[in-house]
Amino acid sequence: QVQLQQWGAGLLKPSETLSLTCAVYGGSFSGYYWSWIRQPPGKGLEWIGEINHSGSTNYNPSLKSRVTISVDTSKNQFSLKLSSVTAADTAVYYCARGADPYCSGGSCYSNRYDYWGQGTLVTVSS
Amino acid sequence: EIVLTQSPGTLSLSPGERATLSCRASQSVSSSYLAWYQQKPGQAPRLLIYGASSRATGIPDRFSGSGSGTDFTLTISRLEPEDFAVYYCQQASAFGQGTKVEIK
Repeated sequence: QVQLQQWGAGLLKPSETLSLTCAVYGGSFSGYYWSWIRQPPGKGLEWIGEINHSGSTNYNPSLKSRVTISVDTSKNQFSLKLSSVTAADTAVYYCARGADPYCSGGSCYSNRYDYWGQGTLVTVSS
Repeated sequence: EIVLTQSPGTLSLSPGERATLSCRASQSVSSSYLAWYQQKPGQAPRLLIYGASSRATGIPDRFSGSGSGTDFTLTISRLEPEDFAVYYCQQASAFGQGTKVEIK
């Protein structure tokens, strides 16, 4: 049974860097994309980006200048850093396993997210 | 960049009724690449359907997906009390804005 468990700071001040980590238990770490998706309070889902086991990344263009996703295959973990946060970055952040990727125009995307972490509410407030 | 538009925004139905949710893509997508999720308050989304019509593991057969090109549909044949939730479609990095299925 695959489980994703995530953790990180829940309260940040504007201009700080958001940092979250997600550990994967069970299942294979390779062959999948490891993803971050966020959801502002009361709103829909926004894809942040993803990484595969070899470190190949793909980011949301609207966040690309501030986002770094990294992977530690020795620990079956992957991490998200989002710099220079503002109140607009307040959201529940989810890690997820992306399956069945397809590639187009040099970018690869997951076709489904089949396992999700529990979510972390990150609030940005002065 | 593909934009997914879901309709209606809210669907008010009674238990036992049939729910039909729509997801329209701004450009044609392969049906292999369309997924549906269910989200309940305070919970992470749950994968229901992938490849437009394949049910994920453990999903009851009252949930079905169909469609191709730019128009896709999620159907819940008979609503159970636990089915009242928000539903999202997804293709690659795009999510629809969601359809809330509420109790009438």
